[in-house]
This record gives sequence, structure tokens and C-alpha cells, in this order.
Amino acid sequence: DTGVSQDPRHKITKRGQNVTFRCDPISEHNRLYWYRQTLGQGPEFLTYFQNEAQLEKSRLLSDRFSAERPKGSFSTLEIQRTEQGDSAMYLCASSLQGYEQFFGPGTRLTVL
Amino acid sequence: KNEVEQSPQNLTAQEGEFITINCSYSVGISALHWLQQHPGGGIVSLFMLSSGKKKHGRLIATINIQEKHSSLHITASHPRDSAVYICAVDQGGSEKLVFGKGTKLTVNP
Repeated sequence: DTGVSQDPRHKITKRGQNVTFRCDPISEHNRLYWYRQTLGQGPEFLTYFQNEAQLEKSRLLSDRFSAERPKGSFSTLEIQRTEQGDSAMYLCASSLQGYEQFFGPGTRLTVL
Repeated sequence: KNEVEQSPQNLTAQEGEFITINCSYSVGISALHWLQQHPGGGIVSLFMLSSGKKKHGRLIATINIQEKHSSLHITASHPRDSAVYICAVDQGGSEKLVFGKGTKLTVNP
């Protein structure tokens, strides 16, 4: 257990539905990252927060994706109108600036 | 060409063997990270290094900044070392990680 938790661990949804994932970072960590990993590939960066501010978003993050980190604590990642190509493992990580990232267990999304 | 390349892609070893996994990168970096991922997805950070060498138990990580190359060594490998080992780099600033595709290690008893 790294201290970072994610919920749910698994999500199966039908194409076109909306889904929301939650990440609870280590409490004193000011940085929070979302990554996406497809089968057989390394993770890819999606977005990151420093405290409550979303400072960078990847071009991978289409308009259907939105992320928030209210009050600089937990974060949510919402995908609207899911597509089969969204099926992946969504990973959250947190860190203090300049230090290693601690990863959550991931949320595995399957879009049918 | 990916910014982070790992070799080999797959590696099978017998228990007790010395393991080396290589990582090359093509961008300027602030730090290089070695990560371990077990089946089911959980990722654990093994090393974060910006120069020289670090050792933790049976694991050793080295980096050559001039050659843009890093190696992860496992001494006296054990079946519990079986996992995917991922190299990642950060370029400072956001410190977002750019990952290699990983090396799948299987250690047979």
C-alpha cells in the first residue's frame, strides 16, 4: 500500500455513458498526476495538479475528459460519452515537488 | 521513435541469475525513475536518480547523463522479482513522467 487510493478499482460501462473516478493522494502531497495505461504499453501523462490548480493537460485529454482537485485534496477524473478507445487503466500518483511519485492501484475501465 | 526506450522487452531468467535492464532516453532530464509494476496494475517506485548510482537491497540503478543511459541490475534474482520494470524520465517543471514500454521479467525457480 503506497498511501494513494483510487476508487473504483474496476469499472465496466456501456459506450456513451459517463464515468467518474476518484483519487485520494497522500495528504501532504501538493502534486497529483493522472496517467493512462493501455495493454502492453507504458503509462501516458494525462494531467496534473499543483494543489487545486490544474497546470497542464495532455493533448490526449479530449474535451470529453475533465479533472478536478477541489481544495487541493482528492481528485476526480470524469469521462463523458465513453468510447471503446477509452478502455484502459487510469493511474493516479501524488508527490511533493522534487520527490518521487507514489502511485495508486489504478482504476481499470472497460467500455463495452 | 519513443523518447524512452527500454531493452530487452521480455527477459526470462533462472533463480539466482544477475539481471540487467537497460534504458536509453533522447531528451534532457531532471531525473530518471525506475518503477516496478506487478500484475493487477500497482506501480511502486524503486529509484529516482539524477546522477551516479543507487543501491537498495539486491537492486542497483546507475545512470550516465552524458550517454543518456541507465541500467537497473538485480543481483541473486528470485521468482518474487517477476514483474514489469518501467523506466521513466521527468524533465523538471511539472515533473510529469514520460515512460518506456517496460521490460517484463520472469524469474523461474
